[in-house]
Amino acid sequence: GAVVSQHPSWVICKSGTSVKIECRSLDFQATTMFWYRQFPKQSLMLMATSNEGSKATYEQGVEKDKFLINHASLTLSTLTVTSAHPEDSSFYICSAITSGRAINEQYFGPGTRLTVT
Amino acid sequence: GNSVTQMEGPVTLSEEAFLTINCTYTATGYPSLFWYVQYPGEGLQLLLKATKADDKGSNKGFEATYRKETTSFHLEKGSVQVSDSAVYFCALSDLSDKLIFGTGTRLQVFP
Repeated sequence: GAVVSQHPSWVICKSGTSVKIECRSLDFQATTMFWYRQFPKQSLMLMATSNEGSKATYEQGVEKDKFLINHASLTLSTLTVTSAHPEDSSFYICSAITSGRAINEQYFGPGTRLTVT
Repeated sequence: GNSVTQMEGPVTLSEEAFLTINCTYTATGYPSLFWYVQYPGEGLQLLLKATKADDKGSNKGFEATYRKETTSFHLEKGSVQVSDSAVYFCALSDLSDKLIFGTGTRLQVFP
């Protein structure tokens, strides 16, 4: 089946610094990628949807200047958490889908745990 | 708004025991319903789905029936195995064509 990887799998950074998370589709072209965030004992919450070559669409309440998303190729999307603060500590998950597929046919990455100290 | 509620875990069972993980939803219209499974170190994978009332989704011995009257989509398996240990997420897709997830339920199966 299709594989989506994330790098790094975990990262610790200091408050005020920025951190970049990569999401790659390894064996298919991802026309759309999604970024989710999951706090402990809470649901996965969709943060943004990005289409290759276009600006990301952010969900209500998600700061686009804080969570920078780039989807410059059909196999790579990046999420940069700028000026990170402890409240940004969370589990970030990406998923990818090919054009024409149903929404449930997303392929998910294993997630990245971010800890901001 | 639309939401999914599932039972808190962890659910701890012995091998060959019967499994039920409850899931209820709130939605306008007629959402599609899904169960995803996340094995340790891996991404979420679609386990089964149902797109309309009374549909039964099934896969790998797991089943769930779309019950509109009770707005439920409970996951069941007659005899669990150690390899079923994972986190299970109930989800729906609404008119906005986005996935809305429950909080996940961790299942631990012991030999």
